[in-house]
Amino acid sequence: QKEVEQDPGPLSVPEGAIVSLNCTYSNSAFQYFMWYRQYSRKGPELLMYTYSSGNKEDGRFTAQVDKSSKYISLFIRDSQPSDSATYLCAMSEPRGSTLGRLYFGRGTQLTVWP
Amino acid sequence: EAGVAQSPRYKIIEKRQSVAFWCNPISGHATLYWYQQILGQGPKLLIQFQNNGVVDDSQLPKDRFSAERLKGVDSTLKIQPAKLEDSAVYLCASSSYRDSFRNEQFFGPGTRLTVL
Repeated sequence: QKEVEQDPGPLSVPEGAIVSLNCTYSNSAFQYFMWYRQYSRKGPELLMYTYSSGNKEDGRFTAQVDKSSKYISLFIRDSQPSDSATYLCAMSEPRGSTLGRLYFGRGTQLTVWP
Repeated sequence: EAGVAQSPRYKIIEKRQSVAFWCNPISGHATLYWYQQILGQGPKLLIQFQNNGVVDDSQLPKDRFSAERLKGVDSTLKIQPAKLEDSAVYLCASSSYRDSFRNEQFFGPGTRLTVL
C-alpha cells in the first residue's frame, strides 16, 4: 500500500462548478498537509498548507484535514478555466523526524471548461 | 526574488548514455531536493541536501545515480548509464528552514528526460 493515495482522474467540470479533490494516507505520523498545483510543463507550486486537523480557507480554496479518518480534501469554489492543472496532495512528518521529507500523491488532473 | 533555476529543460539520450542536470536554488536556501516525477505520478524524492551535506538519499539508485552540491549552493544530478525507465521529469526544489517554521518547498520547472 502506498503511503499517499490520490485518484488521478481526469476530472472535467464546467466553469463555476465546485470541485472536490481528495487524498487518503496510511502514516499516522503525518502532521503537515499541503496541496500543490502543477500546470503543464511547470514545477509544482504550493497552493494550500495545513497543520494537523481542521479547515483552512484562502479565497476560493478550502483545505480540510481529518486525521481520524486519514483523509484530506481540497475544495475549489467558482472554478475557473485558469484552475485547469494537476493538483498534488503532499504531506510530511514533523521536521525533526524526517527533515521535512514530502510524500506526494500521484496528482489529479483537473480541466475546467468555459 | 528569483526562483529555482534548472537546466537543461529537455534532454533526449539513448540508453546506456550519461546525462547531467543542473540546479540553482533560491538564494539563501540551505536545503535542496531532487525529485523524480514519472508521467502520471507524483514526485518521488531522490536526494536531500542540507547545505553541502546529504541528509537523505535512501531512494537514490546509487548504482547509476549520483548527486553533489559543492559549496552548498548549486547542485548537479547525474545518471550513468541511463535506462529506459529513467525517462521522467527531474525536479529540483529548495527550502529555507531558517526563515520558515513550515517546510515550504519551491520547485524549479524541471528537466524532462527521454531515454530511447
